[in-house]
Amino acid sequence: EAGVVQSPRYKIIEKKQPVAFWCNPISGHNTLYWYRQNLGQGPELLIRYENEEAVDDSQLPKDRFSAERLKGVDSTLKIQPAELGDSAVYLCASRQGPGSGNTIYFGEGSWLTVV
Amino acid sequence: QKEVEQNSGPLSVPEGAIASLNCTYSDRGSQSFFWYRQYSGKSPELIMFIYSNGDKEDGRFTAQLNKASQYVSLLIRDSQPSDSATYLCAVNYNTNAGKSTFGDGTTLTVKP
Repeated sequence: EAGVVQSPRYKIIEKKQPVAFWCNPISGHNTLYWYRQNLGQGPELLIRYENEEAVDDSQLPKDRFSAERLKGVDSTLKIQPAELGDSAVYLCASRQGPGSGNTIYFGEGSWLTVV
Repeated sequence: QKEVEQNSGPLSVPEGAIASLNCTYSDRGSQSFFWYRQYSGKSPELIMFIYSNGDKEDGRFTAQLNKASQYVSLLIRDSQPSDSATYLCAVNYNTNAGKSTFGDGTTLTVKP
């Protein structure tokens, strides 16, 4: 079974440019998460989807970040415009759903460097 | 104060020794607790989860939970160099919500 797939793996952009990340969760997983992980820190939740509904986006900087999960499967996370402080690893994760034992599976991450 | 606290380390142990990793959390209502291992440049992978007070063993790993003290630990017996990684503690307030709050991790080095 394929795991959580993310692309691109690495991205270097200049500040003020836009960037988008794509995630394909494990088949059948209804819950999808976007986390951001800065160097030397633990992952921080940006947004959580249950199917196509964003049920927790309190940590998403909505002035520059946006996310969508059309049809409740794939998801994209966009940053526009990017700032130097956005340099981090953006991790997508998925879970089968509530009551599934809470095992969250992470993708390999999208490494963003803003210069 | 962070919601989930871990010693950043590095923690260094000799091969074959027991490594003890600790985590404290601030929300007394937290329900479920997780340990992830993260190798350098890789994504976190779940090692163990624990819901109830006491110990839970899985192979060389033992998770210990004390809700009264708001403390969870991970013991790694017979440590191997391949155990060298950063260990992240994660806590869920609502088990069904699946929203994990992570600590910043403890870096473990196992020396041959």
